[in-house]
Amino acid sequence: AQKVTQAQTEISVVEKEDVTLDCVYETRDTTYYLFWYKQPPSGELVFLIRRNSFDEQNEISGRYSWNFQKSTSSFNFTITASQVVDSAVYFCALSEPTTSGTYKYIFGTGTRLKVLA
Amino acid sequence: NAGVTQTPKFQVLKTGQSMTLQCAQDMNHEYMSWYRQDPGMGLRLIHYSVGAGITDQGEVPNGYNVSRSTTEDFPLRLLSAAPSQTSVYFCASRPPGSFYGYTFGSGTRLTVV
Repeated sequence: AQKVTQAQTEISVVEKEDVTLDCVYETRDTTYYLFWYKQPPSGELVFLIRRNSFDEQNEISGRYSWNFQKSTSSFNFTITASQVVDSAVYFCALSEPTTSGTYKYIFGTGTRLKVLA
Repeated sequence: NAGVTQTPKFQVLKTGQSMTLQCAQDMNHEYMSWYRQDPGMGLRLIHYSVGAGITDQGEVPNGYNVSRSTTEDFPLRLLSAAPSQTSVYFCASRPPGSFYGYTFGSGTRLTVV
């Protein structure tokens, strides 16, 4: 069965520190997509990034970067020079095809990041 | 603005009451889903729909009903509310295919007393 593990329940860092949020997944399929979402204190869920199983290139977007490694089934998220506005709960998610032709999404339990001023 | 609209934002119910959480999207997305979020448990899928007239159960469907009469609307009905249904409920939509991530509504915080 597919599974997404975010072992870090809560992380606290001081502003300007770098922080990495871990995501480890399990799937039997060769074709799948991985996602990261951010849930700020206001409560909405915001899509951050998508990565497909055939693309292992790392991606950088401003202070955010993602490291996808199929060999370790990990899709880790790094925030460089963290800011207080980065304080949020971050969810990793996995989608893979089902036998009915649809796609099933599994979310991790989330990592709460607190950035202290 | 385009997106997923959920109403109400907050609701308090007494045990045994029924109610409907409303969800509407104006992006013409075929896929819609309801998730509940509980502390330490992430997001769990309740029901989902892959198009008008087609619904299916997710991970935690008991106590909830859904229907999809139009592409835009996907209401979630609580038949007889229980304290265990106290949670934050999110409606989400996306186009078909696993390439697309979900667009989420702002959530409904439900308390059952």
